Amino acid sequence: AQSVTQLGSHVSVSEGALVLLRCNYSSSVPPYLFWYVQYPNQGLQLLLKYTTGATLVKGINGFEAEFKKSETSFHLTKPSAHMSDAAEYFCAVSIGGATNKLIFGTGTLLAVQP
Amino acid sequence: DAGVIQSPRHEVTEMGQEVTLRCKPISGHNSLFWYRQTMMRGLELLIYFNNNVPIDDSGMPEDRFSAKMPNASFSTLKIQPSEPRDSAVYFCASSSTGITEAFFGQGTRLTVV
Repeated sequence: AQSVTQLGSHVSVSEGALVLLRCNYSSSVPPYLFWYVQYPNQGLQLLLKYTTGATLVKGINGFEAEFKKSETSFHLTKPSAHMSDAAEYFCAVSIGGATNKLIFGTGTLLAVQP
Repeated sequence: DAGVIQSPRHEVTEMGQEVTLRCKPISGHNSLFWYRQTMMRGLELLIYFNNNVPIDDSGMPEDRFSAKMPNASFSTLKIQPSEPRDSAVYFCASSSTGITEAFFGQGTRLTVV
């Protein structure tokens, strides 16, 4: 079975500061990993994904994440936070295949202070 | 493409009433997922379909919940009878073989009073 742990339900950074949101996963088979973002009263939007190949993946809005198998981690980073980055971020895992069932972490609410 | 379409966006109902949530997946997608989001439990997968067939409904909380997918372009999630603890945001998502991610609708915010 797959699972995801997101450390820190709330993270606050200053505008222009580094954003680091942590995600650790558990999977018995090679996982596919995802970060989604949810703005207030909106659905979930894909930020980036890792399936195979290059372990550093870049996504929209300047975000990137690195798959580290030895650490079972897939942390999300952005060098410089912007006010518009304030949202809830979800890490998710799947094993791919025919159905792409996603298992989500509990989410991290990111606040950006001016 | 219009994306995944859910209706209604908001639903307020009285305890004991039947509630039906609707979802139209992205055209051509053959997998459909129903998730429930609450503050206490986060995003829970309730049920998913592949090629209109329910594959795993182990996340459905009780027999009061049922889901159907009569064709590739429509699915419903029904709660009968509804209870206040069913209050949540319900998301529908779709995907397809060869696509690794799921695409989400805007959600239905259900309030049972």
